Amino acid sequence: EPEVTQTPSHQVTQMGQEVILRCVPISNHLYFYWYRQILGQKVEFLVSFYNNEISEKSEIFDDQFSVERPDGSNFTLKIRSTKLEDSAMYFCASRGGGSNQPQHFGDGTRLSIL
Amino acid sequence: QKEVEQNSGPLSVPEGAIASLNCTYSDRGSQSFFWYRQYSGKSPELIMFIYSNGDKEDGRFTAQLNKASQYVSLLIRDSQPSDSATYLCAVNGGGGTASKLTFGTGTRLQVTL
Repeated sequence: EPEVTQTPSHQVTQMGQEVILRCVPISNHLYFYWYRQILGQKVEFLVSFYNNEISEKSEIFDDQFSVERPDGSNFTLKIRSTKLEDSAMYFCASRGGGSNQPQHFGDGTRLSIL
Repeated sequence: QKEVEQNSGPLSVPEGAIASLNCTYSDRGSQSFFWYRQYSGKSPELIMFIYSNGDKEDGRFTAQLNKASQYVSLLIRDSQPSDSATYLCAVNGGGGTASKLTFGTGTRLQVTL
């Protein structure tokens, strides 16, 4: 069964550094998402992406964050000048078809900021 | 602020019993509703989704939706120890073609032997 793949599974970075989290959505999906989950808290929406542009972003997704689909398969989340509070699990999700269809999640990247 | 509310639990049920998980949502414009299972340290895994009032069954799982009461539930029949996990209720607001999911905090289910 097709799946969303994310790399790396764990990223450890010094505060102030830039990180890029990578995702390969399911191949025929058109809608892409990033969510994050701080330890012990709920899954929070960051950004949605469709037709090569951002569709919606949350208040969390400020100028520190950016997303890109550099080619036909990858979808990336860049976090500039990382802060301690950016430490979380970051999940990529993708969806095909209509808005009633489910989003499928990757295994996530655990980001640890030291 | 659109909210999705769940009892955090833990909900403890004996093996073989029915587990009933509940969720309420605040946005009347919500269109589709999802149940994900999340094991500790893992990603959300889709269990079921529903968008019409009534019941939807898939194996041991039944999702129930009541839009008038803004209430979604998940029943797990013949609960197994492997069902022990956190169950996340997620709601799609329908705001646009790429609409986001809003998650509840999840209900932790413990199936005891």
